Amino acid sequence: AQSVTQPDIHITVSEGASLELRCNYSYGATPYLFWYVQSPGQGLQLLLKYFSGDTLVQGIKGFEAEFKRSQSSFNLRKPSVHWSDAAEYFCAVGPANQAGTALIFGKGTTLSVSS
Amino acid sequence: EAGVAQSPRYKIIEKRQSVAFWCNPISGHATLYWYQQILGQGPKLLIQFQNNGVVDDSQLPKDRFSAERLKGVDSTLKIQPAKLEDSAVYLCASRTTGKDGYTFGSGTRLTVV
Repeated sequence: AQSVTQPDIHITVSEGASLELRCNYSYGATPYLFWYVQSPGQGLQLLLKYFSGDTLVQGIKGFEAEFKRSQSSFNLRKPSVHWSDAAEYFCAVGPANQAGTALIFGKGTTLSVSS
Repeated sequence: EAGVAQSPRYKIIEKRQSVAFWCNPISGHATLYWYQQILGQGPKLLIQFQNNGVVDDSQLPKDRFSAERLKGVDSTLKIQPAKLEDSAVYLCASRTTGKDGYTFGSGTRLTVV
């Protein structure tokens, strides 16, 4: 079955510390991978996406993610977290060879930032 | 470019009442999606349109939910009658062809009491 697993429901990080949010996927086809962020009461904002090529992708707000096919993972990282990064983060997967097909989302990881 | 527009932002209704949500996708985006996001969960696809045709509605509770996309542009999602478990955020997203991401609207937060 196609699925996305985000093992950590809630993570608390000190401001200025590094961050890594985990994402594992199960997908029968070559995947497109995405990370979205959602602030309270807001819609989903795209942080970054991976389609092909370099497995380390850079996104907005200083985020990056690394695609590891052998581990079926697409972990999100940031070297220094800011208080404004507190939000919910969603990993999503879609098929690379079926343009337009809907994304499958993980259940999300809530990030809290302590001062 | 303008984003995906959704209205209303918030709606509170009593169970067994009906409600409708509206979505205006990004101009030129052929594919439109409606997702349901229950509190504490990731978004789940309800229905996908390609232009004005339905591509996937396998997870749409068709006994109470309906959706249409007239003229391949705007879309409406209706719930009739609503149940308590329908309380959620309803997200609309659109996408053009190619290796583009999916653009999401701000969503409609529905509370059924």
